[in-house]
Formats: sequence, structure tokens, C-alpha cells
Amino acid sequence: QKEVEQNSGPLSVPEGAIASLNCTYSDRGSQSFFWYRQYSGKSPELIMFIYSNGDKEDGRFTAQLNKASQYVSLLIRDSQPSDSATYLCAVNIPYNQGGKLIFGQGTELSVKP
Amino acid sequence: DAGVIQSPRHEVTEMGQEVTLRCKPISGHNSLFWYRQTMMRGLELLIYFNNNVPIDDSGMPEDRFSAKMPNASFSTLKIQPSEPRDSAVYFCASSHKGRQYSNQPQHFGDGTRLSIL
Repeated sequence: QKEVEQNSGPLSVPEGAIASLNCTYSDRGSQSFFWYRQYSGKSPELIMFIYSNGDKEDGRFTAQLNKASQYVSLLIRDSQPSDSATYLCAVNIPYNQGGKLIFGQGTELSVKP
Repeated sequence: DAGVIQSPRHEVTEMGQEVTLRCKPISGHNSLFWYRQTMMRGLELLIYFNNNVPIDDSGMPEDRFSAKMPNASFSTLKIQPSEPRDSAVYFCASSHKGRQYSNQPQHFGDGTRLSIL
């Protein structure tokens, strides 16, 4: 079992819809969860992080964390063509004081005008 | 504030040559990470440093790869000799080491696109 799993996609949604991106992780001790956006040919860009169970909202983005289910998701409301990118989920290594993260393979999102 | 700065942005060289990639982390960050990204394998962690000390180099593929961090503001990743299968995008990232059981976000540089002919 991979440590961090994401559907590779592509996930295609129409402009204005809600895009839902999902990530599961294997280690129950993980405490820090991050979502990165990567445009083609560019570097990963941090868009959200969440440490506590529940929802965290930032503009059109909402991160949701359920530690009991070992599940973290990213919702993008009012999706725009400019949101088309690969979204990477990253999870910390429990008890690792060095800041090491494990990245999923990424989900490719395509927002159609 | 300046982000993570990597150089060169692109490198094309012949097989067997030495390649040196450079990274300047964000000022004040005390953790530095080197990643490699390919279509086939995704984003792979090669090595990371805390306070200039290498902590985990288990991702370094072979002895041909080496990394150093002589001070808090500079790190290098060296490949010698280079091979075509080393062609990839190499990213450097930095973060501020957080509390014991949680981590601060990592911030990535623009990457070096390496092509070995």
C-alpha cells in the first residue's frame, strides 16, 4: 500500500462547478497535511495546509481532514480554467523532526470552459 | 521576500560530465530538501538537511549523486558521472522546522531542468 494515495485523474469538471480532490494516507500518526498545485512546467506551489480535523477555508479552496478515516480532501468552488493543474497531496512522517513529507502522485484537474 | 533560488534553470550536458545544481533556501529556514521529478516516478525526495546536517539520504539513487550544505544559505547537488537516465527536473525546497509532531510547509524553487544526452 502506498503511503499517500491520490486518483491520478484526469478529473474533468465544467467551469463554475465544484472540483473535489481526494487523498488517503496510511500512517495514523501523521499530523500535517498539505495541498500543492503544480502547473505544467512549473514548480509545486503551496495552496493549503491543515493540521486539525474538520474544514479549513481559504477563498474558493476548502481543505477537509478526517483523521479517523485517514482522509484529506480539497474542494475548489466555482472552478475556473486557470485552476487546471496537477494537485499534489503531502503528508508528514509521524515523529520525524526533520520536516520530511511524503507526496502523492498527484491528481490532474481539467476545468472546461 | 525572495523565495528559494535555484540555478541553473536549464542544463544540457553530455553523458559522463559532472553536473552541479545549486540552491539558496529562504532566509531563516533551517530545513532543505532536494527532490527529483519525472513523469514515471513523480516527485521523489533525494536528501534533506536540518541545520546544514544531512538527515536522510536514503533517496539518493546511487553513489554518483552527492549533496552538500556548507552553510545555511547554500546547498549543492552533484552528479558525477551523469547518465541519460538522470534527466529530470530537480527541485530544491526549504521550510522552517516546526514543532515535534507537526511540520511547516515546504516552499519550492523553480527547479532545474536537466537533460543528459
